[in-house]
Amino acid sequence: NAGVMQNPRHLVRRRGQEARLRCSPMKGHSHVYWYRQLPEEGLKFMVYLQKENIIDESGMPKERFSAEFPKEGPSILRIQQVVRGDSAAYFCASSPYSIPNTGELFFGEGSRLTVL
Amino acid sequence: KQEVTQIPAALSVPEGENLVLNCSFTDSAIYNLQWFRQDPGKGLTSLLLIQSSQREQTSGRLNASLDKSSGRSTLYIAASQPGDSATYLCAVSNNNDMRFGAGTRLTVKP
Repeated sequence: NAGVMQNPRHLVRRRGQEARLRCSPMKGHSHVYWYRQLPEEGLKFMVYLQKENIIDESGMPKERFSAEFPKEGPSILRIQQVVRGDSAAYFCASSPYSIPNTGELFFGEGSRLTVL
Repeated sequence: KQEVTQIPAALSVPEGENLVLNCSFTDSAIYNLQWFRQDPGKGLTSLLLIQSSQREQTSGRLNASLDKSSGRSTLYIAASQPGDSATYLCAVSNNNDMRFGAGTRLTVKP
């Protein structure tokens, strides 16, 4: 059973370009979470999705950021018109159950975005 | 709003020592608490998950305790080894997400 797979592992973009980060959850997991980690800071929650639905996006900036988790395929975190402040490590986690139902989070290796 | 604090921010110990990492949280109405390990440039590895109804969990040389009423958890590492060097993160859940502390950076010197 493969772990949470994220790609690309490293992504370089110039200001104004778009970044797309992909996350394939562990087999059997229908709950996906995205977190952002800035250098020397802790992880900050961005968005929680369950197949085809956004459950909680309270941690995601209102503009330029969007997330989806389609019925088929990986979850996508999309950042439009990137700025230098978007440079960070973006982590995806998956769980077979929701957190209130004893969901344990399993994390991927992260995607490290650098904006030039 | 849940706030998670980890003390100390950094810790350096000689190999073989037993050590304790601390985590405190402001809202005690949690579903669970999870301890993770993060190596530089890597993802998070789950170490222990404690449900709100539990007091502790053990795995090998690791023991995590939870005192919900006082908003505290500790991670005890016995007989530390250089391979234990990493950042240890504590995370608690109240709603749909987990809130993380800033971590304790542990260095175990041979």
